Amino acid sequence: DVKVTQSSRYLVKRTGEKVFLECVQDMDHENMFWYRQDPGLGLRLIYFSYDVKMKEKGDIPEGYSVSREKKERFSLILESASTNQTSMYLCASIPAGPSYNEQFFGPGTRLTVL
Amino acid sequence: GDSVTQMEGPVTLSEEAFLTINCTYTATGYPSLFWYVQYPGEGLQLLLKATKADDKGSNKGFEATYRKETTSFHLEKGSVQVSDSAVYFCALLPNPNEKLTFGTGTRLTIIP
Repeated sequence: DVKVTQSSRYLVKRTGEKVFLECVQDMDHENMFWYRQDPGLGLRLIYFSYDVKMKEKGDIPEGYSVSREKKERFSLILESASTNQTSMYLCASIPAGPSYNEQFFGPGTRLTVL
Repeated sequence: GDSVTQMEGPVTLSEEAFLTINCTYTATGYPSLFWYVQYPGEGLQLLLKATKADDKGSNKGFEATYRKETTSFHLEKGSVQVSDSAVYFCALLPNPNEKLTFGTGTRLTIIP
């Protein structure tokens, strides 16, 4: 079974702190994604990566950055956390290639910024 | 751009009731369509999918048919159970390796 894990299920941080959210997948997938989930807004794409050291902005990248130094790991960074970044963050991965269309999701990290 | 419009919730039904959650989409070309489910405290799981017009996806008693003429992918189940209580997301994928576009989600609660 594909497994996508996220470093924390719940996280509480203070305004202005630097926050790292880690995501690891164990199936050698090329493509990885970070979404945030908010009530009434569904899932919105923050950043995605097609390969190591590659990154692309999604729909709402402002206030976030990412790092992909190894294929299995995709990190989301909040350089200076703000209260409007309180949300559920979901990581997903999928193999490259035309035959694949199912994204596999991690359990999510619920981040609260005070 | 691509978009998904999903029936707003929350939806509350009694056990064994018939369920329909509406989903319509806007996209160029021929996207793949998905229903994802999120049980309390968990991430998203793929419930079912359809990759071309008239395909029917099915899983765990749920069904959805890809209707190109009405640009719809409505989720149905004939007899819901308490364990079906969850948030359901409709999504589309324009092409493999592109990003998913999600609807806003529908929270379903089934009462015994």
